[in-house]
Amino acid sequence: QQKVQQSPESLSVPEGGMASFNCTSSDRNFQYFWWYRQHSGEGPKALMSIFSDGDKKEGRFTAHLNKASLHVSLHIRDSQPSDSALYFCAARGYGGSGNKLIFGTGTLLSVKP
Amino acid sequence: EAAVTQSPRSKVAVTGGKVTLSCHQTNNHDYMYWYRQDTGHGLRLIHYSYVADSTEKGDIPDGYKASRPSQENFSLILELASLSQTAVYFCASSYRGFSNERLFFGHGTKLSVL
Repeated sequence: QQKVQQSPESLSVPEGGMASFNCTSSDRNFQYFWWYRQHSGEGPKALMSIFSDGDKKEGRFTAHLNKASLHVSLHIRDSQPSDSALYFCAARGYGGSGNKLIFGTGTLLSVKP
Repeated sequence: EAAVTQSPRSKVAVTGGKVTLSCHQTNNHDYMYWYRQDTGHGLRLIHYSYVADSTEKGDIPDGYKASRPSQENFSLILELASLSQTAVYFCASSYRGFSNERLFFGHGTKLSVL
């Protein structure tokens, strides 16, 4: 079964620090990736997408994709307590997955004031 | 921003009972989805729909039915609720299906089956 693996499971950073999340897919057909964020008691909300190799920057958030290694990462600089949430990587699959969006298990971020 | 409303926000059901979770979206999206969230499993797709009166199976459809009576409404039905179906359920919508567009999620329904 196609899977999306995330690491670490949880992460704690000080306010103003850098938070980094990793995601690896198990299928080379995964070409398009999203990062979603879920605050406690709410539904997930899309943060940003990345579809091409290299870096994509949106404000304090930077995503990096390496299709050759099937690895995508997300980095948050100048982390704020409001960034404390569950972060999901999601990959769009092909073929056997029916072109569905496959979510990872998430990384829980805690930003300490 | 796209609005997706789920009801109820939480529900306690008895084993073997029937449960219906409802979802309503107001942004004219064609695609709607039901996901289940469990600790350690992330979000898993149960059913989805791209047009009224038609539904498709997702990755974990067993024990669930779906209904799309109109473009705006999408329901998830548990005919015989079981303990293993205790989870948080999220409805989502998008303009196109599983394309490079983002999904808009509701706030979720916490279901406890006792």
